[in-house]
Amino acid sequence: NAGVTQTPKFQVLKTGQSMTLQCAQDMNHEYMSWYRQDPGMGLRLIHYSVGAGITDQGEVPNGYNVSRSTTEDFPLRLLSAAPSQTSVYFCASRKGTRGGEKLFFGSGTQLSVL
Amino acid sequence: TQLLEQSPQFLSIQEGENLTVYCNSSSVFSSLQWYRQEPGEGPVLLVTVVTGGEVKKLKRLTFQFGDARKDSSLHITAAQPGDTGLYLCAGISSNTGKLIFGQGTTLQVKP
Repeated sequence: NAGVTQTPKFQVLKTGQSMTLQCAQDMNHEYMSWYRQDPGMGLRLIHYSVGAGITDQGEVPNGYNVSRSTTEDFPLRLLSAAPSQTSVYFCASRKGTRGGEKLFFGSGTQLSVL
Repeated sequence: TQLLEQSPQFLSIQEGENLTVYCNSSSVFSSLQWYRQEPGEGPVLLVTVVTGGEVKKLKRLTFQFGDARKDSSLHITAAQPGDTGLYLCAGISSNTGKLIFGQGTTLQVKP
C-alpha cells in the first residue's frame, strides 16, 4: 500500500512565487490535513478537510489555500511564497473525523523560500 | 491556547541507558498519542492512551497517561541506536476535540 504520498520531496522558491504541494492517499480516508514543522515548534495545523468539498482552517492558515475535490487528493497552494513559509510540510490522513484516531503521515516536503 | 510542553527537548545518551520523556499541559486531554519520527520521514504512531492512569508497553517502551489526563510520559529501557529519532506527543483537547502536538524530543542513542 502506498499510504499517503507527497510530492515534491524538495522545493526551492523565490519570494512571491506560487506553487502547489501535492498529497494523495489510497486508504479511502475521510479526514486529510496539512501540517508544517519548524524547529522547536512541533507540528502546526494549516488546513484540514473532513470530506470531499469540505475544508476548514487550522492554527496557521494565512498564505495557504486548499481544496478537496476528491476523497484521495488534498493539494496545498502557496499563493505568494514568503521566507516565513520555509518549513517542512506534512500531509496526514485518518479514516474517520474523530481526533483520537491514528494519523497516517506522508514523508514530507522540504520547502525553502529565498 | 492549549499547549503541550515536552521535556527535555534534546537527549543524547549511550546505548543501554534508560530515559524518560515528559509531556505536560495545564489542560485536560481526552486521549494522548505518541509518535516517532525518523529523519526525512513523517511521524509514525506508537501508541494512544485514553484512560487516566493508563500504562501501555511496547517492547522496551512504556507509556503512561497521568491520572488527571494532563500529562504523559514515555520511558525507554536499555536504549538502542535504533531508538534514535524525534518523539512527539499529541493530545486530543477535551474542549475542542482537536489534536495538539508538543514540540518534540530529539533522542540520540550512541553505540
